[in-house]
Amino acid sequence: QKEVEQDPGPLSVPEGAIVSLNCTYSNSAFQYFMWYRQYSRKGPELLMYTYSSGNKEDGRFTAQVDKSSKYISLFIRDSQPSDSATYLCAMKAGGGNKLTFGTGTQLKVEL
Amino acid sequence: GAVVSQHPSRVICKSGTSVKIECRSLDFQATTMFWYRQFPKQSLMLMATSNEGSKATYEQGVEKDKFLINHASLTLSTLTVTSAHPEDSSFYICSARGLEALNTDTQYFGPGTRLTVL
Repeated sequence: QKEVEQDPGPLSVPEGAIVSLNCTYSNSAFQYFMWYRQYSRKGPELLMYTYSSGNKEDGRFTAQVDKSSKYISLFIRDSQPSDSATYLCAMKAGGGNKLTFGTGTQLKVEL
Repeated sequence: GAVVSQHPSRVICKSGTSVKIECRSLDFQATTMFWYRQFPKQSLMLMATSNEGSKATYEQGVEKDKFLINHASLTLSTLTVTSAHPEDSSFYICSARGLEALNTDTQYFGPGTRLTVL
């Protein structure tokens, strides 16, 4: 079983829709949770960073962490065509350097 | 914002040759740099972590003699794939973390290098 599971998609939604992206994980030591956006042929760009359980909002993006269920989510409101990209979840245990990534979910927002 | 560049963006080489990939932090000092490999439809896999002026720490299963990492300055790290073979074909991405990010995991990623070994 992979440490981090993420549905690869592709996920196609109309412009303006609310998008929900999710990851599950098995390592209870993970404490730091991140979402990255990766455009084609580019490196990942950090979108959201959260510590432990709870919600964090930044503009149209909301990150949610449920440690009891080992489940994290990223919500995108009022999705735009420019949001079309691959979204990667990543997580880290406390005290270490190593980020463990999901496989990424490919999102396409259509006009 | 923090910018990380990689060079070259794409390289095609013959089997048995060595390839060097550069990773530079352009507007900040990178105390730690990370090298990842990404196969199609798979996760980014951490290969090694390097701190400026010291030897790199390799992840389990990554051959240190095959993937030579040098982090000689606070703005430059290099990855050399020695005696490359077709199975080394992949997307290699570096990331850098600076002093301002000591208490977070803000890694700034480069654009990646696509290596194809014929």
